[in-house]
Amino acid sequence: QQPVQSPQAVILREGEDAVINCSSSKALYSVHWYRQKHGEAPVFLMILLKGGEQKGHDKISASFNEKKQQSSLYLTASQLSYSGTYFCGTDRFNTGNQFYFGTGTSLTVIP
Amino acid sequence: GAVVSQHPSWVICKSGTSVKIECRSLDFQATTMFWYRQFPKQSLMLMATSNEGSKATYEQGVEKDKFLINHASLTLSTLTVTSAHPEDSSFYICSASPRGGGANVLTFGAGSRLTVL
Repeated sequence: QQPVQSPQAVILREGEDAVINCSSSKALYSVHWYRQKHGEAPVFLMILLKGGEQKGHDKISASFNEKKQQSSLYLTASQLSYSGTYFCGTDRFNTGNQFYFGTGTSLTVIP
Repeated sequence: GAVVSQHPSWVICKSGTSVKIECRSLDFQATTMFWYRQFPKQSLMLMATSNEGSKATYEQGVEKDKFLINHASLTLSTLTVTSAHPEDSSFYICSASPRGGGANVLTFGAGSRLTVL
């Protein structure tokens, strides 16, 4: 089963913040975050490998709670370019095979 | 950076024909390649994991005989949709990893949009 993301969709005004959650019913060994623009391939944002890990780049950051089998992506002071669909992903069995994506969150930033 | 080339970008075919989609890693050796299918406004659904030199591992519900995957070299994997039907119309995306393990970032091809008439 794929990880479940919430919310399914969110609309923001430029400058507002958003949080996207990714929750798995199975153990998470690592969490990847990707953003996909319409009609394009997903683009890598970041990867978290250890429980408790937090990292960020520019105004996008993420955390990984291994015990709760959850990860969250934080977007601060959103920009128009942040619009797209965000997916978390995980290598379910930590074997390099069977890499699954979450259900996706559509994020739209409006002026 | 790692680059994955996917070809063709789009294809339109008649029902009953077969279509081949290629996925190439241009500047690294990909021991593992993943094939996904994505319907409009939905997530990427893993179809199969392809390991160089061995048979692909298909996800439950994916027909092996319909979606033939070949990973003959460390830089090339192909997906052949055999006897395509309109319900096979979708966006197919491949991704590649230099080696196994969840720590490796996936590099995606640009995707191939298949339309079956």
